Amino acid sequence: GQSLEQPSEVTAVEGAIVQINCTYQTSGFYGLSWYQQHDGGAPTFLSYNGLDGLEETGRFSSFLSRSDSYGYLLLQELQMKDSASYFCAVRDRNYGQNFVFGPGTRLSVLP
Amino acid sequence: DVKVTQSSRYLVKRTGEKVFLECVQDMDHENMFWYRQDPGLGLRLIYFSYDVKMKEKGDIPEGYSVSREKKERFSLILESASTNQTSMYLCASSHIGPPEGPDTQYFGPGTRLTVL
Repeated sequence: GQSLEQPSEVTAVEGAIVQINCTYQTSGFYGLSWYQQHDGGAPTFLSYNGLDGLEETGRFSSFLSRSDSYGYLLLQELQMKDSASYFCAVRDRNYGQNFVFGPGTRLSVLP
Repeated sequence: DVKVTQSSRYLVKRTGEKVFLECVQDMDHENMFWYRQDPGLGLRLIYFSYDVKMKEKGDIPEGYSVSREKKERFSLILESASTNQTSMYLCASSHIGPPEGPDTQYFGPGTRLTVL
C-alpha cells in the first residue's frame, strides 16, 4: 500500500519562505506531485518531480529525494493569496494511472 | 481553457435516497476519477475509469457505483445515501501519459453533499 505524511498546518508571514515537507511509503514509486487548493476551490496542479532534485516554477519550487522517500514544496516571497491547502500526491506503478494524495497542509500567510 | 464541471455545488438528500453526481470534462481525457474529501483525510479515491464503459474500484468504493457511457461524462451514484456519505465530492480527469510523467489531474469545483 501507500501512505504519505505532511504537517497539518504551517504559518508564515508575507515575504517569508516556507517549506512544506512530504514523506511517503510506496512499493512502486513513479513521481511526486503537488496540488494547491484554496478554500471552496478545486485542487490545481503546481509541480511534479519524477527525478531527484529541484524543479522551479516562479516563486514555487519542489524537491525530491527518492532515496529518502521525501520531498518538499518551497514557497518564496509569500503572498496573502498563497494561503491555501497544499497536497502532495504520489504516482505508484502498482496503482495504475492513479495518484495517492497526502492529508494536506494548511498554509496561513499573515500580514 | 480546460474545464471540468460538476452538476451541483451543493446538494442535500435524505437517508436512503438514490443520489446522482454528474461530471463532464471537455478536454477529451481518457481518465476520469471520483474522490471524496474530508477534513484531515485528504482526497480518497472512490472509483476511476480509463475509458468508456470501463471502471475500477479505488480505495473506498463501498456504497458507491459509477457509470461512464460517454468519454466526457462520469457519474457517481449513491444507491442508498447514508449520513456517513456526507462529504465534498471531487471529480477529476487526466490524459493517459507516460508512467514517468506528471499526468496532471484537472479537478471540478466539487459537490458538497449533505445527507440528513
